[in-house]
Amino acid sequence: GQQLNQSPQSMFIQEGEDVSMNCTSSSIFNTWLWYKQDPGEGPVLLIALYKAGELTSNGRLTAQFGITRKDSFLNISASIPSDVGIYFCAGQLNSGGSNYKLTFGKGTLLTVNP
Amino acid sequence: NAGVTQTPKFQVLKTGQSMTLQCAQDMNHNSMYWYRQDPGMGLRLIYYSASEGTTDKGEVPNGYNVSRLNKREFSLRLESAAPSQTSVYFCASREKGGTHEQYFGPGTRLTVT
Repeated sequence: GQQLNQSPQSMFIQEGEDVSMNCTSSSIFNTWLWYKQDPGEGPVLLIALYKAGELTSNGRLTAQFGITRKDSFLNISASIPSDVGIYFCAGQLNSGGSNYKLTFGKGTLLTVNP
Repeated sequence: NAGVTQTPKFQVLKTGQSMTLQCAQDMNHNSMYWYRQDPGMGLRLIYYSASEGTTDKGEVPNGYNVSRLNKREFSLRLESAAPSQTSVYFCASREKGGTHEQYFGPGTRLTVT
């Protein structure tokens, strides 16, 4: 099936540092979503992107929908300990048959040292 | 407004046993989904229901069946559990319309021995 390449797989940072992660694909996506999963919980939607080039912020989080529609980036500024978790990107393919389905990246595990 | 709820939260089965995972949403969403999450594999779609009365296979449907009981409820059944089905199972829902945002339940942690 369709795959999203999410990187990095894991990050270990100090509190206060900025974080950047990204997802790339060989296919065009109509929608990019970023989720965060806390340990033992379900993924929670952070940011949704619907237009190529779109830049959207949610507090200290900023995400961008790549111009080529094949990638997306998530940045976290001034990280804090509660940012710890797994961050997933997800995309919806530009294909009628996939209209109801999302493709997920494998996640970026973020650890923040106080 | 509870969002997406799942029962049970934890379950241990022996190989060959059967069980049904329950999922309900109170957001009046049309589409519902079942995923499994394994270490290093991300979220993989098992089955989904685009609307009440329809179900379709996802990426990893073998060994599972689903029932869209009504608009609110979407259950996942393991007829004969296998150790390879040890995983964390998430249900999600999505409203009708242009957005593709899916909202997830808290998960069911299943161990098959």
